[in-house]
Amino acid sequence: EAGVTQFPSHSVIEKGQTVTLRCDPISGHDNLYWYRRVMGKEIKFLLHFVKESKQDESGMPNNRFLAERTGGTYSTLKVQPAELEDSGVYFCASSQSLGGKYEQYFGPGTRLTVT
Amino acid sequence: AQSVTQLDSQVPVFEEAPVELRCNYSSSVSVYLFWYVQYPNQGLQLLLKYLSGSTLVESINGFEAEFNKSQTSFHLRKPSVHISDTAEYFCAVRGYSSASKIIFGSGTRLSIRP
Repeated sequence: EAGVTQFPSHSVIEKGQTVTLRCDPISGHDNLYWYRRVMGKEIKFLLHFVKESKQDESGMPNNRFLAERTGGTYSTLKVQPAELEDSGVYFCASSQSLGGKYEQYFGPGTRLTVT
Repeated sequence: AQSVTQLDSQVPVFEEAPVELRCNYSSSVSVYLFWYVQYPNQGLQLLLKYLSGSTLVESINGFEAEFNKSQTSFHLRKPSVHISDTAEYFCAVRGYSSASKIIFGSGTRLSIRP
């Protein structure tokens, strides 16, 4: 069974540009989460999808960040325009909803560098 | 609200020495407790978890953690570390709801010296 995959693994962009990160969850997982870690600080929650609906987006830092989950499958996180403080590692995780198996499985992360 | 405190940002130890990575949490509700590990150039992996039952939980590679409710702690220990244990370790909590987000500590970087 394939794990959570994220693309790209690294992205270097200039301030003001746009970047789109993609996450493919484990097949059959309804829940999809985005987290990020900036500059050695703690990993922080950004938002949570249940299928295609946003269940909780309380962690989204501002309106420069837009997350979508088309058809309840893969998800994208767009940053437009990117700022220096957006640099960090963006993690995606997914989990099931049925059977009490709520363990979140994490992807390898996308390292974003804004220069 | 929930929070997690990892008291040590870096822990250097010699190979085959014991190690303890400290974690304290704060929560107004009952939570599940986790330790995640990130090896160099890899993603986050679940190391071990406490959901209920025995307060001592173990991982397959020799780590153990003990849930102490009175002290709100979940320290991670290993009696003898190996070079391959070099990684960053994250303590985390999550509420019981399936929709609960994970709250992470700031991480402890474990470096093993030969």
